[in-house]
Amino acid sequence: DQQVKQNSPSLSVQEGRISILNCDYTNSMFDYFLWYKKYPAEGPTFLISISSIKDKNEDGRFTVFLNKSAKHLSLHIVPSQPGDSAVYFCAASAYNNNDMRFGAGTRLTVKP
Amino acid sequence: EAGVTQSPTHLIKTRGQQATLRCSPISGHTSVYWYQQALGLGLQFLLWYDEGEERNRGNFPPRFSGRQFPNYSSELNVNALELEDSALYLCASSLYRDRPYTEAFFGQGTRLTVV
Repeated sequence: DQQVKQNSPSLSVQEGRISILNCDYTNSMFDYFLWYKKYPAEGPTFLISISSIKDKNEDGRFTVFLNKSAKHLSLHIVPSQPGDSAVYFCAASAYNNNDMRFGAGTRLTVKP
Repeated sequence: EAGVTQSPTHLIKTRGQQATLRCSPISGHTSVYWYQQALGLGLQFLLWYDEGEERNRGNFPPRFSGRQFPNYSSELNVNALELEDSALYLCASSLYRDRPYTEAFFGQGTRLTVV
């Protein structure tokens, strides 16, 4: 039962351009969403989050957008840098049930 | 401040054996989560412990079990190992008490190989 879906296994962009990673969810109880970045041989590291009371959260080059009606969120990275190359996981949790459910991940490659 | 630590880093077991994986959360964190990342797959939720109690478990058979100790560290036990249990097992911790909206911090994982 995949409650969080990342339908694009991979994405390749040119350095300096925008990277857009997408995520869909099915559980309407989810109200807190997170993005994690994972390098090989390391655990995932937290990147940015958004609660359902907002539709946008920005942190430097990273912006997360939430469309509750469509049960869709996206992560924008502008401008993309080669060091951003990693696997990005979308995660979601529900209030008072804090176990996060993850998507399958999207491998982002930023080419110099 | 020390992050989430997991031991061992690598573990090789034969089919049918038992494996025990350990996790020490960040100091002050009360919640520990276990995830399995099999090759080519995302993070599959295994177990969530908070304040010593199992709060939720994912869609895994009962041979996957664990516990959380009074110091909030945790063990994941996998009995009757099968070849498909070979995966990276990740532990994460978060400060859950009074703060349900919080990110979790991950350890580097234990690579379990079943031969």
